[in-house]
Amino acid sequence: EAQVTQNPRYLITVTGKKLTVTCSQNMNHEYMSWYRQDPGLGLRQIYYSMNVEVTDKGDVPEGYKVSRKEKRNFPLILESPSPNQTSLYFCASSAQGGNQPQHFGDGTRLSIL
Amino acid sequence: AQRVTQPEKLLSVFKGAPVELKCNYSYSGSPELFWYVQYSRQRLQLLLRHISRESIKGFTADLNKGETSFHLKKPFAQEEDSAMYYCALSGFSFNKFYFGSGTKLNVKP
Repeated sequence: EAQVTQNPRYLITVTGKKLTVTCSQNMNHEYMSWYRQDPGLGLRQIYYSMNVEVTDKGDVPEGYKVSRKEKRNFPLILESPSPNQTSLYFCASSAQGGNQPQHFGDGTRLSIL
Repeated sequence: AQRVTQPEKLLSVFKGAPVELKCNYSYSGSPELFWYVQYSRQRLQLLLRHISRESIKGFTADLNKGETSFHLKKPFAQEEDSAMYYCALSGFSFNKFYFGSGTKLNVKP
């Protein structure tokens, strides 16, 4: 089944403890992206990647890192999480940039205490 | 600055009534507009995009550059249309995306 898989689905952690949210897609998509969703703000793009080893900042990249070493994986790294990064995170992928439909994962709910 | 505004958080209509979900945008270049939808317990998915000028599930949206709007319309709402709808904006390179805050559509029987 074609899909975008995020792990973990839920995580409660403490300030400063590094964490990684994984994202994997099995559709051979070139484009991948991370969003965070906060009440009243909709989805805001954190980082995106047009292809392997090509990443760039979205609208709210501060406090996050990403890497794209393989086409299928696009992990989101929080080196030193803070409470303002408590949010619902979505990973998405599409065949050729965002012009093609973006396929979204189920989301990861992060709580930073 | 790029921005997408969906003024209604919640829109309730009766089955069979027309529905219009509003979306206004601010963008310095030539915009590409999309509508994404999230049904209950499902993933966010693309509903339609202006570049393809298609009608999906009876929904249409016309890009009005003069009014900088991309309102989503359906002449006769169905109960299964109840969902969260997000308007999204990108540029010609389709890399950066800006989403609105979403409108929850509730279609009452």
